[in-house]
Amino acid sequence: NAGVTQTPKFQVLKTGQSMTLQCAQDMNHEYMSWYRQDPGMGLRLIHYSVGAGITDQGEVPNGYNVSRSTTEDFPLRLLSAAPSQTSVYFCASTPDGGDTGELFFGEGSRLTVL
Amino acid sequence: AQSVTQLDSQVPVFEEAPVELRCNYSSSVSVYLFWYVQYPNQGLQLLLKYLSGSTLVESINGFEAEFNKSQTSFHLRKPSVHISDTAEYFCAVSDEGTSYDKVIFGPGTSLSVIP
Repeated sequence: NAGVTQTPKFQVLKTGQSMTLQCAQDMNHEYMSWYRQDPGMGLRLIHYSVGAGITDQGEVPNGYNVSRSTTEDFPLRLLSAAPSQTSVYFCASTPDGGDTGELFFGEGSRLTVL
Repeated sequence: AQSVTQLDSQVPVFEEAPVELRCNYSSSVSVYLFWYVQYPNQGLQLLLKYLSGSTLVESINGFEAEFNKSQTSFHLRKPSVHISDTAEYFCAVSDEGTSYDKVIFGPGTSLSVIP
């Protein structure tokens, strides 16, 4: 059971570079989301999607873009990386229509922006 | 839910001793409550949840949490910890009837079990 798979696990970027963090789930979950985790701040929602073709902004969307062309994939794009985007990024999905908040997480992608 | 507070950022405890990790929340409506655990270099995993019914909920590895509506708390307890319980623990809250994008996470508590 693969669950939620994130790649890459580690990435170092220079300021101004762009990259895409990949997320795929094989559980047929309609709801997917991206969070960033920073020390002492818990998890903060970046973007989320309630189904293919539908995305919306979370708490901290600036500097990030997303798209949802299929149910399985939900990539997160950094168009021009900044040091403030140094963080650990988690992709998550939910199986039950999003009514309760129970989330399934990937193992995370650690990004360092120099 | 408007906020989640985890008062202890770090909790060291000796192996086989009891532990309590505290979680308080603020909300003007009914809530769902969660504890997630993050082992080193891994993603978060659901440990236990309260949706409705009995206010005492248990996990398969011996943790339990009790929902106290009057004190707006959902503290996590284990009577005897093991080395393998060393991890980061996150309390999370969502308002009943709202979608999952409204889940609010606490800042986390790092539990270190000392041999």
